Order: sequence, then C-alpha cells, then structure tokens
Amino acid sequence: DAGVIQSPRHEVTEMGQEVTLRCKPISGHDYLFWYRQTMMRGLELLIYFNNNVPIDDSGMPEDRFSAKMPNASFSTLKIQPSEPRDSAVYFCASSYLPGSYEQYFGPGTRLTVT
Amino acid sequence: KQEVTQIPAALSVPEGENLVLNCSFTDSAIYNLQWFRQDPGKGLTSLLLIQSSQREQTSGRLNASLDKSSGRSTLYIAASQPGDSATYLCAVTPRATGGFKTIFGAGTRLFVKA
Repeated sequence: DAGVIQSPRHEVTEMGQEVTLRCKPISGHDYLFWYRQTMMRGLELLIYFNNNVPIDDSGMPEDRFSAKMPNASFSTLKIQPSEPRDSAVYFCASSYLPGSYEQYFGPGTRLTVT
Repeated sequence: KQEVTQIPAALSVPEGENLVLNCSFTDSAIYNLQWFRQDPGKGLTSLLLIQSSQREQTSGRLNASLDKSSGRSTLYIAASQPGDSATYLCAVTPRATGGFKTIFGAGTRLFVKA
C-alpha cells in the first residue's frame, strides 16, 4: 500500500478563499482522522470518521470548517472562507482500530493563508 | 482532562551517545501509548506502540517503556546517529474518549551531532 495520501502538499491562498484538502486513507482502515499542527497548539484532532461516518467533530474550530467522507477511499476537509489564522499543517491519518493498532499519518498539507 | 508532557523540549547530543526521552501523562486510563518520529516538513512515522497491558516494546535501537501507575513513558535510543535527528512525539489514547481520540505531547526535538 502507498500509505496515506494527501493533496495538495502545499497550498497558498488569499483570505476569504475556499480551500479543500484531500486524503486517501490506507485501504482497509475503517478510521480516518484529520489533525491540525501549529507551533502554538501542537497537534490537534479536528474530526474523525468510522466507516465513512463522522463520529466526533468537537475539535473543528469553527463552522467555516467542514469535512466529508463520501466513500471509504476519500475524504475532504474544507475551509470556507479561509483566514490567516488557519495557516497550519493539516494531517490526515488512518487506522484499522485505534485502540489496538497504530495510526498511520499522511505527509500533510501545509496551508498558508495570506 | 488528559494532558501529555514531554521533557526535554530539545536535546543535542554527540553521535554514539545513548539517550532517553521522557513522556508523562495525567490519566492512567489509556488504551495505548505511541511514540512517533517527525522529520522537518514531513508527516509522523509510528515508531513503537505499547498497549496498556504491556510494559515495553523494542525495535532495533529503540526501546520504549510504559509505567501506567506513574503516568510515565520513556523512549531509549541506543548508540545515537545523526540520522536520528528529528522531533519525537509521544501520544496516548485515553479510554475516556472511547479509544479514538489521541492526545499528543508537544514533542522533543533531537539533534545528534556527527
């Protein structure tokens, strides 16, 4: 397996624009996680899915953030409208069963909002 | 609320030295503890996963221990090499969250001098 795939790797956009981040989890993994990493706050869980269903989105910072998982091999994290404080690295991770198995992380998307 | 603390925040050692990275957590009710490595601009790579019923795990020059009663884990790196230079993150999966929300420490930035 190619591991968790994220695109784009880098995104630079202007404030107010819509941003869509994409993730393809490892095949067979039932859980998918979206994280955000910043210098100030470290690595934070935004939302996670189980079998394509959002289970806990309590980490999503604002209504400007939304995430979907239309099928087992694809998820998106959308920010609309984007703001400079959204600048961070966004990671997607997947796992077979988080309590018992490792989480595997993608390479991340570095988002810069100017 | 589970909190994860890593000490030291940064460490610089000469090549060949054995070293220990420390991680502490406030709630011992966890499913597992995981050590990750993060290279600059890259995603997280899982190094070792210790289940709550285990005391330690080993992989090559790495050995991780877990003491739930004291809320501590250590990552021991033997015979350090310049290629070990990276940020090492400790993460716990608390039972209180159903086992699906992993809490990360801020990491220890390691630099191994040739």
